[in-house]
Amino acid sequence: DTGVSQNPRHKITKRGQNVTFRCDPISEHNRLYWYRQTLGQGPEFLTYFQNEAQLEKSRLLSDRFSAERPKGSFSTLEIQRTEQGDSAMYLCASSLASSSNYGYTFGSGTRLTVV
Amino acid sequence: ELKVEQNPLFLSMQEGKNYTIYCNYSTTSDRLYWYRQDPGKSLESLFVLLSNGAVKQEGRLMASLDTKARLSTLHITAAVHDLSATYFCAVLSPPRYALNFGKGTSLLVTP
Repeated sequence: DTGVSQNPRHKITKRGQNVTFRCDPISEHNRLYWYRQTLGQGPEFLTYFQNEAQLEKSRLLSDRFSAERPKGSFSTLEIQRTEQGDSAMYLCASSLASSSNYGYTFGSGTRLTVV
Repeated sequence: ELKVEQNPLFLSMQEGKNYTIYCNYSTTSDRLYWYRQDPGKSLESLFVLLSNGAVKQEGRLMASLDTKARLSTLHITAAVHDLSATYFCAVLSPPRYALNFGKGTSLLVTP
C-alpha cells in the first residue's frame, strides 16, 4: 500500500462545469476526510466518513458539493456549477479509528483551477 | 468553535540559529499534530502529541504540548536550508474527528 492516492492531480475547468475528484485511502483505514486549502491558508475541513457513512459536514460544504464513499473504500467529491472561488487544493486524508497513534495520512491533493 | 493560532506566520532565519514556533488553541484538546508542507505538495506528518507534557524529537525539530496552557511549541535547533517549508499545527477536539489547522508558519532558512 502506497498511501492515500488522489486523482486527478490537477484539474482546470470552466466556470459552471461540474468536476469530480477521487480519493483512495490506505486500505485498512476506515475514516476518510476531505479538506480544502487555499493559497496561504491552512487546510479547512469539509467532510468526514466512517466506513460508508458520512458523519460530519462543514458549513463550508455548500449545496453544490457532494461527497460519497459508497462501499467504505474510495471516495468521490463532486462540485457542481463550479465558481472561481472553488479554486483550491482539495486534500483527502485517512485514518484508522483504532490506531494507537491516531495518525492522519494525507494524499497529494487535487489542485482545481476554475477559469 | 475551536480556533488555532500560530505565530509567527513568517520566519526568516539564518542557518545554525535556533527558533521556536508557537501554536495556541482555544478549547480543550489532548491531541495535537504538527505537519510540514513544501510548496505545491501535500502535508507530511511530523509529530503527534497525545498528552500533557508530551515531548517528541526528530532530528533538529522538537515538539512539546502543554494542554493546561493550550500551547504547543515546535523548536528548531541549528537550522539548515532543508528545513525551509511551511509548518502547520492542527488540533483535534473530541467528539469531532476533524483536524483544525492553524494558518501555518512559513519558514525560510538562509545561509
